[in-house]
Amino acid sequence: NAGVTQTPKFQVLKTGQSMTLQCAQDMNHEYMSWYRQDPGMGLRLIHYSVGAGITDQGEVPNGYNVSRSTTEDFPLRLLSAAPSQTSVYFCASSSSTGASAPLHFGNGTRLTVT
Amino acid sequence: GNSVTQMEGPVTLSEEAFLTINCTYTATGYPSLFWYVQYPGEGLQLLLKATKADDKGSNKGFEATYRKETTSFHLEKGSVQVSDSAVYFCALRRSGGSYIPTFGRGTSLIVHP
Repeated sequence: NAGVTQTPKFQVLKTGQSMTLQCAQDMNHEYMSWYRQDPGMGLRLIHYSVGAGITDQGEVPNGYNVSRSTTEDFPLRLLSAAPSQTSVYFCASSSSTGASAPLHFGNGTRLTVT
Repeated sequence: GNSVTQMEGPVTLSEEAFLTINCTYTATGYPSLFWYVQYPGEGLQLLLKATKADDKGSNKGFEATYRKETTSFHLEKGSVQVSDSAVYFCALRRSGGSYIPTFGRGTSLIVHP
């Protein structure tokens, strides 16, 4: 039972490069989301999705794109990396948007932009 | 809007000490309340939850009671271990149109032998 799988675990980019952070879940979860975690800032929501073909912006969406073509996958694309995007990125999913549904998190991707 | 306030850390304790991490919330309606734990180098994982007033969530010796009258969900453990050293996040979630979870900033716990 893999849960939420994020790849890669670590990544170093140069300013201006693009890349995709992968997120896959094998629990048939309806809701998926991306967060970034920075020291002293807590978790900040980047984008989220309530099902295949449906995405929406969170608190800090600028510089990131997402798509949800299948229930399982929710990749996060950095269009042109900037040093301000150096962070730890977490993908999280839940079975539904119900109040009692907890989030299941991946183990994160640690991104450094130089 | 919704908000969750946690006590600032780090909280530093000796092994076998009693732990309390305070959490208060603001939300309309009847949210569910959660505690998540994040060990170094890992993602958050659910520690416990409570879905209605006066419910007590418990797991691994940790407990928290949903207090609607004080809008609180304080995390407690009677005797902490070094292995409990982690960051603890309080969170709430509502149903309906406001289903995006709201997290507190996290409280770091350091337990010394």
